[in-house]
Amino acid sequence: QLQLQESGPGLVKPSETLSLTCTVSGGSISSSSYYWGWIRQPPGKGLEWIGSIYYSGSTYYNPSLKSRVTISVDTSKNQFSLKLSSVTAADTAVYYCARRIVGATLIDYWGQGTLVTVSS
Amino acid sequence: QSVLTQPPSVSGAPGQRVTISCTGSSSNIGAGYDVHWYQQLPGTAPKLLIYGNSNRPSGVPDRFSGSKSGTSASLAITGLQAEDEADYYCQSYDSSLSGSRFGTGTKVTVL
Repeated sequence: QLQLQESGPGLVKPSETLSLTCTVSGGSISSSSYYWGWIRQPPGKGLEWIGSIYYSGSTYYNPSLKSRVTISVDTSKNQFSLKLSSVTAADTAVYYCARRIVGATLIDYWGQGTLVTVSS
Repeated sequence: QSVLTQPPSVSGAPGQRVTISCTGSSSNIGAGYDVHWYQQLPGTAPKLLIYGNSNRPSGVPDRFSGSKSGTSASLAITGLQAEDEADYYCQSYDSSLSGSRFGTGTKVTVL
């Protein structure tokens, strides 16, 4: 059974960089059949797609966040990561890592999510 | 900005039928991209409920059904149960994002 697990600091100071890692178990991140991505949800609000990466390193970012986002993949560790720079309180959210099927647009597996709070 | 618009809330008594609409635009649903639906129980991650407009993953009760027409899609829940109380989100690919667009979300309350 595939599992995705987010990890990283739960508190980040304004103007600093948020860094999260998603560890994939029960399957290979190097599969050509999937994209791996990040989605966030501010407290009490809806879902926002942040971006996705293919195992080869090709990336796709939400235009509204593109200038601040970097997603990378480490196939040797079966992990992918998110960096979001110059954070503000508006970036406080539960961050989910997830898997999307190539050739389809559905997200079939989600991590449990991790709350990141931006505060001094 | 292109959005997928859902009603903020719907409610129904146990056993009743409720529907949730998802209205998009020419850059997402109207462009022919599939619509998927997710159920989010309180404090948990979203779970895939309907994929490809009307297909149910294994384990999802047939009380849940989906449809799509033009620039809109709908999720129907028949025989509403207390355990269906959750937030529901539609999702589609959006060419203006080159990525996923989520609906605004609908809270279902079982009276």
